[in-house]
Amino acid sequence: QKEVEQDPGPLSVPEGAIVSLNCTYSNSAFQYFMWYRQYSRKGPELLMYTYSSGNKEDGRFTAQVDKSSKYISLFIRDSQPSDSATYLCAMSGVTSGSRLTFGEGTQLTVNP
Amino acid sequence: NAGVMQNPRHLVRRRGQEARLRCSPMKGHSHVYWYRQLPEEGLKFMVYLQKENIIDESGMPKERFSAEFPKEGPSILRIQQVVRGDSAAYFCASSLSRDRLFYEQYFGPGTRLTVT
Repeated sequence: QKEVEQDPGPLSVPEGAIVSLNCTYSNSAFQYFMWYRQYSRKGPELLMYTYSSGNKEDGRFTAQVDKSSKYISLFIRDSQPSDSATYLCAMSGVTSGSRLTFGEGTQLTVNP
Repeated sequence: NAGVMQNPRHLVRRRGQEARLRCSPMKGHSHVYWYRQLPEEGLKFMVYLQKENIIDESGMPKERFSAEFPKEGPSILRIQQVVRGDSAAYFCASSLSRDRLFYEQYFGPGTRLTVT
């Protein structure tokens, strides 16, 4: 079983839609949760990170962590064509702050 | 450009040759991480280094792969006697030093290695 599971999609939505991206994980030692965005043939770009359970909002993006369910989400409001990319969730533990464990990524297309 | 720099961006090697991938961290960052992204797979951790020291190499294949981060100059990921299965995108990330439990990792644009 993979430590981090992420639906690879592809996910296609119309412009302006609310997008929900999700990951589940099995390692209860994970404490830090990140979302990266990766455009085709580019490096991952850090969008947000959260520590432990809770919500964090940054503009149109909201990250949620539910440690009791081992489930994290990224919501994108008012999605734009420029949001079209692959979204990667990543996690690390307190003592393993060095290594990130990634999901496989969800490919998102926002249609104008 | 203060971001993580990697070169070359594209590298073609024949089976059996050596590949050297370079990474210069962001200004002020002293910790470097290497990840590999195989086709249709997610990013996998390989190795974590700070200057002149390997901290965690638990993700590195046991043979043919090595990494260093010298006191001066970029970090180098070296793959000896490459095979077709080494074809992948190799990403470097950097972070600030570890006087906290967690620092964000910022990624470079990657080196795409093709083994023919």
